[in-house]
Amino acid sequence: DAGVTQSPTHLIKTRGQQVTLRCSPKSGHDTVSWYQQALGQGPQFIFQYYEEEERQRGNFPDRFSGHQFPNYSSELNVNALLLGDSALYLCASSLEGISPDTQYFGPGTRLTVL
Amino acid sequence: AQSVTQLDSQVPVFEEAPVELRCNYSSSVSVYLFWYVQYPNQGLQLLLKYLSGSTLVESINGFEAEFNKSQTSFHLRKPSVHISDTAEYFCAVTPSNSGYSTLTFGKGTMLLVSP
Repeated sequence: DAGVTQSPTHLIKTRGQQVTLRCSPKSGHDTVSWYQQALGQGPQFIFQYYEEEERQRGNFPDRFSGHQFPNYSSELNVNALLLGDSALYLCASSLEGISPDTQYFGPGTRLTVL
Repeated sequence: AQSVTQLDSQVPVFEEAPVELRCNYSSSVSVYLFWYVQYPNQGLQLLLKYLSGSTLVESINGFEAEFNKSQTSFHLRKPSVHISDTAEYFCAVTPSNSGYSTLTFGKGTMLLVSP
């Protein structure tokens, strides 16, 4: 049973660039959430996707956007990168309708902005 | 809104000693509580969770946590730690009355086990 997978593992970008991170949910899961984990901090919720729509969003600017595909995989896009966007980006998947549900996390993508 | 406080950023302990990692939360609604563990350069793994019922929950690797509603706490304990328990531990909550499972995390506690 494949768990949550993310790509790439590491990424280095420069300020002002744009980046796309990818996530494949755990088999059978239909809901994807994205979190940002800055160095020395706990993960912070960015947004959640279900049925290809963003249904909840944390306190992040519009530079952060996402997408969910019909196969439930998801992308996180960040435009106009800032130094402060350097972090570990975690994807988590869960199954809608199972209450209470549990989120399963991928290994993360380490983004470094220079 | 919810918030989670993990008062200890680091907890050093010797192998085979007991340990307690503290977690307090604030919420205006009922919550579910979780402990996640993060090993170096890895993602988060669910360690244990409290949803309802018995306030004492256990993991398969010897950790336990007790939900205390009056003190709004969910402290994590292990009677005897191993070197392999060295990792970052995160406490998290999610509203129990919401259809959406988004987690609010604490800042984490680094457990450092030495021989």
